[in-house]
Amino acid sequence: DSGVTQTPKHLITATGQRVTLRCSPRSGDLSVYWYQQSLDQGLQFLIQYYNGEERAKGNILERFSAQQFPDLHSELNLSSLELGDSALYFCASSVAGTSGMNEQFFGPGTRLTVL
Amino acid sequence: AQTVTQSQPEMSVQEAETVTLSCTYDTSENNYYLFWYKQPPSRQMILVIRQEAYKQQNATENRFSVNFQKAAKSFSLKISDSQLGDTAMYFCAFALLMLTFGGGTRLMVKP
Repeated sequence: DSGVTQTPKHLITATGQRVTLRCSPRSGDLSVYWYQQSLDQGLQFLIQYYNGEERAKGNILERFSAQQFPDLHSELNLSSLELGDSALYFCASSVAGTSGMNEQFFGPGTRLTVL
Repeated sequence: AQTVTQSQPEMSVQEAETVTLSCTYDTSENNYYLFWYKQPPSRQMILVIRQEAYKQQNATENRFSVNFQKAAKSFSLKISDSQLGDTAMYFCAFALLMLTFGGGTRLMVKP
């Protein structure tokens, strides 16, 4: 158990819908990272928040957005869902803002299926 | 942009034997970090080992060790005394601000 929690574990929805994925980092970690793991794109970094502020952005679609709240939990919002958005979405957390200097601890992931 | 390449999509090894997984990366940076992550069938991402680019000494963690060749931009993972529980996908990752992952190597340990 990494100490990072993600809810829900599974999510099944229809095209065009909007969903919210939630992540609670390990106690004491200030950074939250979101990754997408799909069959055709592999593991891709989406976005990072550090202490409430956006720190880095990767291959995140405009239909996707995220935020980190004062209690440091984070939410990833996916809207106008398409079949290709079906993937495993991971949240990871680390103590500081520079990923390389601190180990990233991964949550168990949220499996999103878009029908 | 950094890229990470794992040229072996699948590998197999007999229990108790040694196996080496390959990873190469491309970057113009001098200071960075490299990781190997393991993803068993449960899909949990588990850190196996990390290497700081400024350290010449290869990292070791129990049965896991790396061969880090900075000039060649190579970062291979050696698993000694392979165990059935080592069966998993293994991802090599390069880190600056975020993690950039390779495509993964599926390792099967056979009894």
